[in-house]
Amino acid sequence: DAGITQSPRHKVTETGTPVTLRCHQTENHRYMYWYRQDPGHGLRLIHYSYGVKDTDKGEVSDGYSVSRSKTEDFLLTLESATSSQTSVYFCAIAAGTGLVAYGYTFGSGTRLTVV
Amino acid sequence: QKEVEQNSGPLSVPEGAIASLNCTYSDRGSQSFFWYRQYSGKSPELIMSIYSNGDKEDGRFTAQLNKASQYVSLLIRDSQPSDSATYLCAVINSNYKLTFGKGTLLTMNP
Repeated sequence: DAGITQSPRHKVTETGTPVTLRCHQTENHRYMYWYRQDPGHGLRLIHYSYGVKDTDKGEVSDGYSVSRSKTEDFLLTLESATSSQTSVYFCAIAAGTGLVAYGYTFGSGTRLTVV
Repeated sequence: QKEVEQNSGPLSVPEGAIASLNCTYSDRGSQSFFWYRQYSGKSPELIMSIYSNGDKEDGRFTAQLNKASQYVSLLIRDSQPSDSATYLCAVINSNYKLTFGKGTLLTMNP
């Protein structure tokens, strides 16, 4: 997807290990989001950022942390991976001002399997 | 009550027919409404956005919004095999969060 890259695309990890997923954008957008997508649940917001070092929790934030030290990078960390965190993770970016974001664009996703 | 609700489907329509996808939302303060298309194994792709009551047309797609009824719909005219996908309704609520429905799977009858 133009302007937004997720890495890695696929990862298999063991229960209890830390995992970091990276989202990189070249659009200089203010807003960045991490979603997970699971069958029967749809897309659910984990964490989001509205600027460098400004982050907040979404609806399923337990077990996840994020960091944004630069405009272009938003990192999602699973401190100690569990099997329930097996999912497809999508990063999204959006332009906007104030509290209003618009034009959400999604990355290609990271398929994470915790064994 | 789920914030954004969609019929999960699958919705099967004949090729060339009109596909009608529906979505309701619970937050009356919601401001912006979107339809995303997602092919299997791919990321969601924005196809329509609508912000005010009424209809918005873009090619074969028409989005309809009725804020009084808290209802959003997507019509796809002249349905084609390439329209087979999951369609996600998304709403920016009064807390400025983008919330998704679970999606409706649309399939074509040849």
